[in-house]
Amino acid sequence: NAGVTQTPKFRVLKTGQSMTLLCAQDMNHEYMYWYRQDPGMGLRLIHYSVGEGTTAKGEVPDGYNVSRLKKQNFLLGLESAAPSQTSVYFCASSYREYEQYFGPGTRLTVT
Amino acid sequence: LAKTTQPISMDSYEGQEVNITCSHNNIATNDYITWYQQFPSQGPRFIIQGYKTKVKNEVASLFIPADRKSSTLSLPRVSLSDTAVYYCLVGAGTNAGKSTFGDGTTLTVKP
Repeated sequence: NAGVTQTPKFRVLKTGQSMTLLCAQDMNHEYMYWYRQDPGMGLRLIHYSVGEGTTAKGEVPDGYNVSRLKKQNFLLGLESAAPSQTSVYFCASSYREYEQYFGPGTRLTVT
Repeated sequence: LAKTTQPISMDSYEGQEVNITCSHNNIATNDYITWYQQFPSQGPRFIIQGYKTKVKNEVASLFIPADRKSSTLSLPRVSLSDTAVYYCLVGAGTNAGKSTFGDGTTLTVKP
């Protein structure tokens, strides 16, 4: 099993550009999450999903959109990137409220 | 939010037992408490999860008092490879929108 994979691993954007981060899991988990982690800080939840076709806001949702069209995929979109969105983005999945399995992260820089 | 508070950093020596405490005063009735370990440039990795009393697995123990307003992660006989950041997370799954990781505890194990 690949577990949780994230695409791409690195990306540099200019202010105002858009992009989509893809998260895929092969564990048949219902729950999926997107976090961001700024240098020296903990993870902050952006959006999460408790099942296919459902999404909900986390702690820091502004400037991001998500979609969960397929159970195994959770997409995070930035419509108009800003330098404040420079961060490392982690995706995770879990079976209900139990342990979360994290992907390797996407390092995003917005100039 | 299920706000969590942990010590920013701790130092220990190889072979010692390390206890890291997390405070979570506004934990909800159905929240689980989960601890994760994170190495630089990697996603967090699950250590242990509990709801109440004591839980133990092959790498750690988790102590949760009756009021559940705090929890203590115990790492027996730490080694240099245990140097990492440790996070407690309260709530997940359907409670994910009310949960937060906090800033974590940086554990440094010295020879």
